[in-house]
Amino acid sequence: RKEVEQDPGPFNVPEGATVAFNCTYSNSASQSFFWYRQDCRKEPKLLMSVYSSGNEDGRFTAQLNRASQYISLLIRDSKLSDSATYLCVVWSGGSYIPTFGRGTSLIVHP
Amino acid sequence: DAGITQSPRHKVTETGTPVTLRCHQTENHRYMYWYRQDPGHGLRLIHYSYGVKDTDKGEVSDGYSVSRSKTEDFLLTLESATSSQTSVYFCAISRGHLVETQYFGPGTRLLVL
Repeated sequence: RKEVEQDPGPFNVPEGATVAFNCTYSNSASQSFFWYRQDCRKEPKLLMSVYSSGNEDGRFTAQLNRASQYISLLIRDSKLSDSATYLCVVWSGGSYIPTFGRGTSLIVHP
Repeated sequence: DAGITQSPRHKVTETGTPVTLRCHQTENHRYMYWYRQDPGHGLRLIHYSYGVKDTDKGEVSDGYSVSRSKTEDFLLTLESATSSQTSVYFCAISRGHLVETQYFGPGTRLLVL
């Protein structure tokens, strides 16, 4: 079983919709969590950190559920420009080797 | 813009030839990383560096070596390229007080024939 799992999608949603992705992790010692966005044939770009208390940045909200070992990303009022692949990354305490999920593809259509 | 450049951006080479990829940063960050990204695998760490001449292995280090003789440059070498090393290679730096906060370069697309 892969340590970090994401639904590859694609999630196909209309503009203005709210969409949520989950990312599950298997290592209970995981301590740091992030969401990245990656456009086709481009580098990943840091979207936001994920804290136990939640993290909100405009239309984007990230949550951590330690009990169930998953993180989530909620996008409200989707824009065409939100179309991309969203990667989660998990770091375990004391390790300098992060584990990336394979990504979830989002397509926002008019 | 994270101040990271990679060269070359594209390369086609033949099996058995040596290949060196360069990552250059302009902000004197201590931590630098090399990843590869392949369909079905996501991003995987090859090697990382935590200072000049200080490097360590990542998840998929076999067949790769690295060197860091200056803060700004981190080189990845494939001593004898194989077709399984065809991939997109990303360099990353850690910025800020958290090592985990990474920013990526534009990538190098390598095709080994």
